[in-house]
Amino acid sequence: IAGITQAPTSQILAAGRRMTLRCTQDMRHNAMYWYRQDLGLGLRLIHYSNTAGTTGKGEVPDGYSVSRANTDDFPLTLASAVPSQTSVYFCASSKAGEGDTQYFGPGTRLTVL
Amino acid sequence: GQNIDQPTEMTATEGAIVQINCTYQTSGFNGLFWYQQHAGEAPTFLSYNVLDGLEEKGRFSSFLSRSKGYSYLLLKELQMKDSASYLCAVMDSNYQLIWGAGTKLIIKP
Repeated sequence: IAGITQAPTSQILAAGRRMTLRCTQDMRHNAMYWYRQDLGLGLRLIHYSNTAGTTGKGEVPDGYSVSRANTDDFPLTLASAVPSQTSVYFCASSKAGEGDTQYFGPGTRLTVL
Repeated sequence: GQNIDQPTEMTATEGAIVQINCTYQTSGFNGLFWYQQHAGEAPTFLSYNVLDGLEEKGRFSSFLSRSKGYSYLLLKELQMKDSASYLCAVMDSNYQLIWGAGTKLIIKP
């Protein structure tokens, strides 16, 4: 693989179900990010990680959790999905947490019914 | 609060020039980014400005005025493949990106 991959590409989920969105990068980037993108709104940061073993909350963290056990993987978990979490989710990474260009994965389109 | 403003939609003609403006109010400034996003795809990096002035990269140029909280993206010799959304983002004092809602650019033959 080259770059960032996300899985699944799309998913329809019943409300109340647990779901993990996967993100893997092979660029050895230190920092990784999860965004959601909704029509008419800018990308909004959910959680981020500046380096393996550390995570931080972004603008809209409620209902989501992340972990960063190693450099390459940064999964996003919805513990109990709600319809307002219907969105397109993008994972991104950058060399360092500060001032560096972010590169995006292809996205996961999630629908919660 | 933090705010990034850009026009919702613009239309231009193939072969012409278009300027997409972005104004911002953020807590701190550590650079401004422009990304391109085709429908159904991921954003891809176009340019980065941290100092005042014009950065040119092929058909695309980006300008920054920090004192005015203003940037623009200039696209020359427009091609049909330039039809996309253009996202303006500012890196704030916490080194987090604050994103505008994007400008949808429609290119007509």
